[in-house]
Amino acid sequence: DQQVKQNSPSLSVQEGRISILNCDYTNSMFDYFLWYKKYPAEGPTFLISISSIKDKNEDGRFTVFLNKSAKHLSLHIVPSQPGDSAVYFCAASFNQAGTALIFGKGTTLSVSS
Amino acid sequence: DSGVTQTPKHLITATGQRVTLRCSPRSGDLSVYWYQQSLDQGLQFLIQYYNGEERAKGNILERFSAQQFPDLHSELNLSSLELGDSALYFCASSYQTGRRETQYFGPGTRLLVL
Repeated sequence: DQQVKQNSPSLSVQEGRISILNCDYTNSMFDYFLWYKKYPAEGPTFLISISSIKDKNEDGRFTVFLNKSAKHLSLHIVPSQPGDSAVYFCAASFNQAGTALIFGKGTTLSVSS
Repeated sequence: DSGVTQTPKHLITATGQRVTLRCSPRSGDLSVYWYQQSLDQGLQFLIQYYNGEERAKGNILERFSAQQFPDLHSELNLSSLELGDSALYFCASSYQTGRRETQYFGPGTRLLVL
C-alpha cells in the first residue's frame, strides 16, 4: 500500500506561470517531507523540505505547503521556467532516527516556452 | 553535483551472475542509503549503513547484501541476478542518522540483466 502518493503523473505549464505539484500521504507519523527533482540519467536532486511543525517553507522560486489535517503537501514553482522540466518526487520520513525516505512515484513537469 | 559518487554508471550482465555497485558519500557524511528504482516504480529503500554498521533494512532481497567500509564508502552486492533485478540503483548520503536529515543522491548505476 502506497504511503506517499502523487496522483498526477504529469503536468504541463507555460513559462512564467505557476506550477503546483501535489502529494498526499496516509501515515500521520511522517515528520519530515522533501521534494526532489530528477532529470533523465541523473540522480534525484534535493529541492526543498518542510518539517511537520511548519506549514510553509520558501526557497527562492520554490515554496512547499503542508496541510497536516488533510495529509497533503504541495510544491509551488513561481515563475516556472523551461529548465524546471523534470520529474518531481515527493518523499517523507518518520519521526525517528535513521529512517529511510518513502517516495511517491513522481510527477513529470513540462514547462513550455 | 551532490558530491555523492557511484560507479559504474552502467552495468550489463547475465542472469545468475553477481555484481558489485560502489558508492562514495559526500565528504563528512557518515550515513549511506541504497535505493532501487524499477520501471514505473518510485524509489524503494533497500538498506542503510551508518559509520560502518547496518542501521535499517527495507525491501532488500536475501540475494542482495551491502557493507560500509572504514573509509565510509559502501558497496551493494547483488547475486544470482534475475531479469527483474534490472533497475536503477541509487546511493544517498547524509551527515548523521538523526531525524529530519536530508539525503543527497548520487547519479545512480543502471543495471541491465539479460
